[in-house]
Amino acid sequence: DQQVKQNSPSLSVQEGRISILNCDYTNSMFDYFLWYKKYPAEGPTFLISISSIKDKNEDGRFTVFLNKSAKHLSLHIVPSQPGDSAVYFCAASVYGGATNKLIFGTGTLLAVQP
Amino acid sequence: DTGVSQDPRHKITKRGQNVTFRCDPISEHNRLYWYRQTLGQGPEFLTYFQNEAQLEKSRLLSDRFSAERPKGSFSTLEIQRTEQGDSAMYLCASSPRVGLNTEAFFGQGTRLTVV
Repeated sequence: DQQVKQNSPSLSVQEGRISILNCDYTNSMFDYFLWYKKYPAEGPTFLISISSIKDKNEDGRFTVFLNKSAKHLSLHIVPSQPGDSAVYFCAASVYGGATNKLIFGTGTLLAVQP
Repeated sequence: DTGVSQDPRHKITKRGQNVTFRCDPISEHNRLYWYRQTLGQGPEFLTYFQNEAQLEKSRLLSDRFSAERPKGSFSTLEIQRTEQGDSAMYLCASSPRVGLNTEAFFGQGTRLTVV
């Protein structure tokens, strides 16, 4: 049962344009959402997060939007740069559980073309 | 470097052998996690420590797997009688606080290949 889904395995955008990565979740108990970026042969690196009490969070070129009614979140990268090329993972957790363990999606490979 | 450190980075072993991985979390992080990632998948939760106590184990963690975190500092993950299906990237992560949502910081992982 895939509780966090990233339905686009890959995305290609031109440098300078917007990249939009999408994520859907099924567990309504999730209340904290994160995006991680991963380069080959490295561990995931935290990018940005959002709590379920918000619908938007910005950090520089990165913005995460949360639509709780649709159980959907998205990551916007503007403007996209070639160094952004990596696999992006969406993750979710349940506050109040004993662990705050993360449930990850399967990832989207972003390729930013110069 | 004060990030999460994992050792070794790569391990090739023959089927049936035992292997042990080490994770040194960020200093003073009391939460420590082990995840496993296979090709085309996201990281999957294996187990969680709060200080030295192992509070949760995934059903993915068969009885051939054991993890420890003595004294609440570094952690080890041992796999006994390795199988080819154990080939994966094993990731360790830590986070700083209990009771608050914070991001987990990941190490660079240990790539295990069972031949």
